[in-house]
Amino acid sequence: AQRVTQPEKLLSVFKGAPVELKCNYSYSGSPELFWYVQYSRQRLQLLLRHISRESIKGFTADLNKGETSFHLKKPFAQEEDSAMYYCALRAQKLVFGQGTRLTINP
Amino acid sequence: DAGVIQSPRHEVTEMGQEVTLRCKPISGHDYLFWYRQTMMRGLELLIYFNNNVPIDDSGMPEDRFSAKMPNASFSTLKIQPSEPRDSAVYFCASSLDSYNSPLHFGNGTRLTVT
Repeated sequence: AQRVTQPEKLLSVFKGAPVELKCNYSYSGSPELFWYVQYSRQRLQLLLRHISRESIKGFTADLNKGETSFHLKKPFAQEEDSAMYYCALRAQKLVFGQGTRLTINP
Repeated sequence: DAGVIQSPRHEVTEMGQEVTLRCKPISGHDYLFWYRQTMMRGLELLIYFNNNVPIDDSGMPEDRFSAKMPNASFSTLKIQPSEPRDSAVYFCASSLDSYNSPLHFGNGTRLTVT
């Protein structure tokens, strides 16, 4: 069965501080992992996916198969990063974690 | 492209009434998903379709919920009868294929059942 766990419902950091949003997954096959973001009053949208190995808005995420993790990181948080972040795993269907609400304090 | 279109944006109804949520996916997308978002449970997959055929409805809470996709450009999620615990934001999303393509979400329908 597919399962995604985001242990932190709320995360608050100061502007300029590093950010790490944790994500662990459970899946017997080769996972396809994503991070989605929902800014205030906007629709849920893709932030990045592990196959692209890209940095979007300063965020990166590395798939660690040994630890079954896909944590989202940014070295220096900005106020506009405040949003709801969802980690997701896709085999056929896309299953989301419970989400982490990130607040960047000025 | 206007993206995934959902209607209505807001729905307020009384317990026991029938509720129908509507979704128009992006043209050419083969997959359509219905999700429910609540504070307690986050984003839950209710059901998804491939080429208009329901593939997995294991997330549908109970028989009060039903979903249809009569053609490639339209899907409905119906709740009958509605209950207060159904209050949530319901999202529709579509994607091009089953694995690597990202999902494109609609704006959601905020349902309040009193």
